Amino acid sequence: KAGVTQTPRYLIKTRGQQVTLSCSPISGHRSVSWYQQTPGQGLQFLFEYFSETQRNKGNFPGRFSGRQFSNSRSEMNVSTLELGDSALYLCASSSTGGHPPTDTQYFGPGTRLTVL
Amino acid sequence: GESVGLHLPTLSVQEGDNSIINCAYSNSASDYFIWYKQESGKGPQFIIDIRSNMDKRQGQRVTVLLNKTVKHLSLQIAATQPGDSAVYFCAEAGTYKYIFGTGTRLKVLA
Repeated sequence: KAGVTQTPRYLIKTRGQQVTLSCSPISGHRSVSWYQQTPGQGLQFLFEYFSETQRNKGNFPGRFSGRQFSNSRSEMNVSTLELGDSALYLCASSSTGGHPPTDTQYFGPGTRLTVL
Repeated sequence: GESVGLHLPTLSVQEGDNSIINCAYSNSASDYFIWYKQESGKGPQFIIDIRSNMDKRQGQRVTVLLNKTVKHLSLQIAATQPGDSAVYFCAEAGTYKYIFGTGTRLKVLA
């Protein structure tokens, strides 16, 4: 099975711009989660989607949004970029997620976003 | 936030020695845990998992121990190799998400 894929792998934007990141989960996985990773804050949960519905959201401003499509692929969008948004954005997929999740979550390679 | 990493603890071990990486989790009701390895420039890679009805689980060169009494997880790596150098995270199952520990950097000394 192919793993979780994320595009693009690297992105450079300037303050005020917006960006869209894409994630394709492992085939058959319906739960997709997004995380932000920075040296200072570690891995921070952004949101989780299952069957096109957002089930949970982390403590991030409304500039961060996401969606999931019927084929389980997901996108996240950051509007009005700030310097502090520079980070590695990681997507992870699992079979069902669940409440609480009891199936293994697998990560993609991440998208490295640099905001200048 | 739930995962604060202002300072990443580092564990340095000699090649060939055993490594023990520790993690404290927050929710006594959590019933599923995962250890991940993250190499520089890559996404976290699944190593091993354990459910709360177990105290110990073994994989290839790795063992995870779960102590529910004190809400503590440990990852033991046998015969540590240079390729084990990475940051290791524990994750506990939360509400439709996983909560990650701060991570421990493992350095393998030749």
